[in-house]
Amino acid sequence: GQNIDQPTEMTATEGAIVQINCTYQTSGFNGLFWYQQHAGEAPTFLSYNVLDGLEEKGRFSSFLSRSKGYSYLLLKELQMKDSASYLCAVRREGGATNKLIFGTGTLLAVQP
Amino acid sequence: DSGVTQTPKHLITATGQRVTLRCSPRSGDLSVYWYQQSLDQGLQFLIHYYNGEERAKGNILERFSAQQFPDLHSELNLSSLELGDSALYFCASSFHNEQFFGPGTRLTVL
Repeated sequence: GQNIDQPTEMTATEGAIVQINCTYQTSGFNGLFWYQQHAGEAPTFLSYNVLDGLEEKGRFSSFLSRSKGYSYLLLKELQMKDSASYLCAVRREGGATNKLIFGTGTLLAVQP
Repeated sequence: DSGVTQTPKHLITATGQRVTLRCSPRSGDLSVYWYQQSLDQGLQFLIHYYNGEERAKGNILERFSAQQFPDLHSELNLSSLELGDSALYFCASSFHNEQFFGPGTRLTVL
């Protein structure tokens, strides 16, 4: 089976940096995704890691360590609009599907 | 705008009824995924279709069914509705890695 863990809630200050961690256990691994979701809206794609290391995309970066079953999403220069839920999702290897298994999400509150 | 469309946006119905949710994927995407998101749970994978064929099933109830048509749009049918089926239902489409989500259908069962 699969198990994905993220902190439930985090709080950070506008302009600061925040790191949201995700640990996973899965039989077979074929990529880790981060999505942002504002309340009542659709999740939007942020990043994808399949190899170890850091992927940087503007203010957002994502890191993956496959041996540790660990990823983090780093948000820099926080803005109020970054207040949202951040979802970590894992894709398993093999089979005929690319379905994603999502964690329960980390609700980030950015304060002035 | 992800390019994925879902209708209706909101649906209010009574227990025991049946509803159909519709999804049109992005142009060129062959895969459609359906997810359920309720308040106490995260996004739960329901079912995946690729070019008209079912590829994977998650924890989808027997009262729920789906299909993907030749024009690649998909429908999720929910029957014998219960209060606990109230949730946001998202579809997503993909061509390669990323899944792009539609705006969702908010289902309220009274």
